[in-house]
Amino acid sequence: EPEVTQTPSHQVTQMGQEVILRCVPISNHLYFYWYRQILGQKVEFLVSFYNNEISEKSEIFDDQFSVERPDGSNFTLKIRSTKLEDSAMYFCASRYRDYGYTFGSGTRLTVV
Amino acid sequence: QQPVQSPQAVILREGEDAVINCSSSKALYSVHWYRQKHGEAPVFLMILLKGGEQKGHDKISASFNEKKQQSSLYLTASQLSYSGTYFCGTESQAGTALIFGKGTTLSVSS
Repeated sequence: EPEVTQTPSHQVTQMGQEVILRCVPISNHLYFYWYRQILGQKVEFLVSFYNNEISEKSEIFDDQFSVERPDGSNFTLKIRSTKLEDSAMYFCASRYRDYGYTFGSGTRLTVV
Repeated sequence: QQPVQSPQAVILREGEDAVINCSSSKALYSVHWYRQKHGEAPVFLMILLKGGEQKGHDKISASFNEKKQQSSLYLTASQLSYSGTYFCGTESQAGTALIFGKGTTLSVSS
């Protein structure tokens, strides 16, 4: 069964440093998303990406965040200057039209 | 607007049934249901679309009342593997991102 792949699985970074989280969505999927989950709480929407541009973003997704799809397969989330409160599990997801989301296994980001 | 899930937690014995509810204050295009086990990613269970179409798991059923913006997930004859946190996600228009509820924790014991 096709999978969404995320790397790295764990990332520890110092406050103020930049991090890039990487995702490879399922190849025929059209919509791509980033969500985050803090310590087993609810899954929070960050940004959605369709047709090579951001289609929607939440209040969390401020100027410190950016997304790219540099080569038609990878989908990245960059946090420019990490804060302690950015510590969370970050999930990438993809979707084909009116079907469910397929989530990757996540990147656990710890900011120290 | 975040959907509201109830109950927050359910404790069952194997073989018992459970219903998890999800309601929204906004008109909805679809409702999704996902299950997440501890330390893992959410896994898609079912999507219910405006107009009545359903796609998903064949052992789990759900309903969607479009007029009331409510959905219910029905877990029958629960198994140990059903344990986890169930999230509903709502889509207000086709193509918009899912907004998830806070989740319902289901614990099934033998």
